[in-house]
Amino acid sequence: RKEVEQDPGPFNVPEGATVAFNCTYSNSASQSFFWYRQDCRKEPKLLMSVYSSGNEDGRFTAQLNRASQYISLLIRDSKLSDSATYLCVVNSVFSGTYKYIFGTGTRLKVLA
Amino acid sequence: ETGVTQTPRHLVMGMTNKKSLKCEQHLGHNAMYWYKQSAKKPLELMFVYSLEERVENNSVPSRFSPECPNSSHLFLHLHTLQPEDSALYLCASSQDWRMPNEKLFFGSGTQLSVL
Repeated sequence: RKEVEQDPGPFNVPEGATVAFNCTYSNSASQSFFWYRQDCRKEPKLLMSVYSSGNEDGRFTAQLNRASQYISLLIRDSKLSDSATYLCVVNSVFSGTYKYIFGTGTRLKVLA
Repeated sequence: ETGVTQTPRHLVMGMTNKKSLKCEQHLGHNAMYWYKQSAKKPLELMFVYSLEERVENNSVPSRFSPECPNSSHLFLHLHTLQPEDSALYLCASSQDWRMPNEKLFFGSGTQLSVL
C-alpha cells in the first residue's frame, strides 16, 4: 500500500461546480497534513494546512479524519483558474524523524 | 515575489557534462531540501540540510552532489547524469525540519533534460 494515495483523475467539472478530492495515508502516526496546488511544470504552492477540526479558506474546505486515515479537499463554485494538480502531503514520523510524504496528485480540469 | 529562488529554470545537458543547480531562500529558514519530481510520480526527497549540515541523504546516486555553504544557499552539483535523471528538480525550505507542522516552501524548479 502506498504511504499517501490519491486518485490521479483527471476530474473534469464545469465552472461553478463543487468538487471533492480524497487522500488516504497509511501511517497512523502522521502528524500534519497539507494540500498543495501545482500548475503544469511549476512548483507546488501551499494551498492550506488541514486540521482535525476542519478548516475553510474561501471556496476551499479541508477536513481530516484520523480514524479512517484520510483527508479531503472540497472546492465550491469552481473557477477556470482552479485547474491544476492538487497534491496531498502528509508529515509522518519515520525512525524518530519527520518526513513529508507526497501523493502523486489529483488533476482537476474546470471547463467553461 | 518568491521566498525561494532557484536557477536555472531549464537545463539541457549531455551525459558527460557537469552543471550545478542553485537555490537561495530569503525566509530565514533553517532547513533546505532537494526534491526530484518525475512524470506521474510523487515528489521524492533527495537531501535535507539543517543549518548547513546534511541530515538526510535518501540513497541518492553519487552523481548528485549537494552543497550547503550557509543556511540560505543550497546547490546541487550534477555530473555524468543518465537520461533517466531527466525530471523537475525542486528546492524547498522550512523553518525547522524536526517539527511536524512546518510548511514547505518551494522554488520554481529546474526542468532538467539529460541527452
